[in-house]
Amino acid sequence: AQSVTQLDSQVPVFEEAPVELRCNYSSSVSVYLFWYVQYPNQGLQLLLKYLSGSTLVKGINGFEAEFNKSQTSFHLRKPSVHISDTAEYFCAVSAYQAGTALIFGKGTTLSVSS
Amino acid sequence: GAVVSQHPSRVICKSGTSVKIECRSLDFQATTMFWYRQFPKQSLMLMATSNEGSKATYEQGVEKDKFLINHASLTLSTLTVTSAHPEDSSFYICSARRQGVVNTIYFGEGSWLTVV
Repeated sequence: AQSVTQLDSQVPVFEEAPVELRCNYSSSVSVYLFWYVQYPNQGLQLLLKYLSGSTLVKGINGFEAEFNKSQTSFHLRKPSVHISDTAEYFCAVSAYQAGTALIFGKGTTLSVSS
Repeated sequence: GAVVSQHPSRVICKSGTSVKIECRSLDFQATTMFWYRQFPKQSLMLMATSNEGSKATYEQGVEKDKFLINHASLTLSTLTVTSAHPEDSSFYICSARRQGVVNTIYFGEGSWLTVV
């Protein structure tokens, strides 16, 4: 089975500051990794995903994440945040096996203020 | 891009009644669909996995007789909350795995259920 731990439940930052949202996973098999964003009262939007290849993954809205197999981490970063980045961010993992679901972390609330 | 549509987006029902939520993949075939439940300010909890033409696989602790899932075609899965109670009020989200494309999953916009 897989599990995801998002180490920070809330991350407050000022506009234009850099941010890192931390995610660690646990799995006995190889996995795919994802970051999703959820704005208030809305569904999920995929930010980026790691399937294979380069461990540095670039996504939408200026976000990127780095897969670190030895540390079982997949931290999300953005060099300069905007007020509009305020949202809930979810890290998720899925086993390679076909037909398996995404398992989500508890989420991190990113609050960007001016 | 691929779209997954959920309907209704919001529904209010009386306690004791049943309500059906539909999840459709609009421009692709989905051999597998997943249903999640999300309480306010909490994460998404996987409820069940449904494969077209077979019975759904429910996660531990999810009552299969209460949350009926049907996946009758490659583009439609339904979740029926039977004999709904206020504690069933939640945000329900479906996702669909695109057939033939490695690990490509699309999420619906979610459905708010309020049981009064």
